[in-house]
Amino acid sequence: DGGITQSPKYLFRKEGQNVTLSCEQNLNHDAMYWYRQDPGQGLRLIYYSQIVNDFQKGDIAEGYSVSREKKESFPLTVTSAQKNPTAFYLCASSLSSSGRKGEQYFGPGTRLTVT
Amino acid sequence: AQSVTQLDSHVSVSEGTPVLLRCNYSSSYSPSLFWYVQHPNKGLQLLLKYTSAATLVKGINGFEAEFKKSETSFHLTKPSAHMSDAAEYFCVVSPYGSGNTGKLIFGQGTTLQVKP
Repeated sequence: DGGITQSPKYLFRKEGQNVTLSCEQNLNHDAMYWYRQDPGQGLRLIYYSQIVNDFQKGDIAEGYSVSREKKESFPLTVTSAQKNPTAFYLCASSLSSSGRKGEQYFGPGTRLTVT
Repeated sequence: AQSVTQLDSHVSVSEGTPVLLRCNYSSSYSPSLFWYVQHPNKGLQLLLKYTSAATLVKGINGFEAEFKKSETSFHLTKPSAHMSDAAEYFCVVSPYGSGNTGKLIFGQGTTLQVKP
């Protein structure tokens, strides 16, 4: 089955701890994205990567970090510098970051709760 | 600047009646447009997409949308609502032009409630 997997589905952490969210895709997509979703709001872009070993900040990158060492993997670390980390995190991928079509395929999400 | 406006934050229909979710966009170039659906605590699923071919686009689960350039609209419709359609719906723009990085622009979402 081709698709995007995110783990874990639910994650609980104490304030002040860093936490890493996993995202893996076997779609052979070049581009990958991380979004944050808060209740009643749309999706906000945290980071994106158009190619291995390269990534760019999105609209709300402060307090987050990423790496893209392999094409199929794009982990997101929520650091202790993130002021309000409790949210639903969605990973997505697309065949290419350029061109007209542009549809992205989403993973099932990770709900992070920090207390 | 590109933007997307979903005109209703919440829509309520009875099962078996038509669904209309409204979306207006603003784009300097001819965009690609999408509708995604999200069920509670799930990821987003692509319902349909417009990429400059036919202006009436058919998607999954009986949904369709019509691209109207003169009105800058891309409204989502379904002739007969089913209880399983209750979810959050997002209208999304993929701007096209030089420097396009693949970033999507999301509307704020419309919650569809289906009453028995």
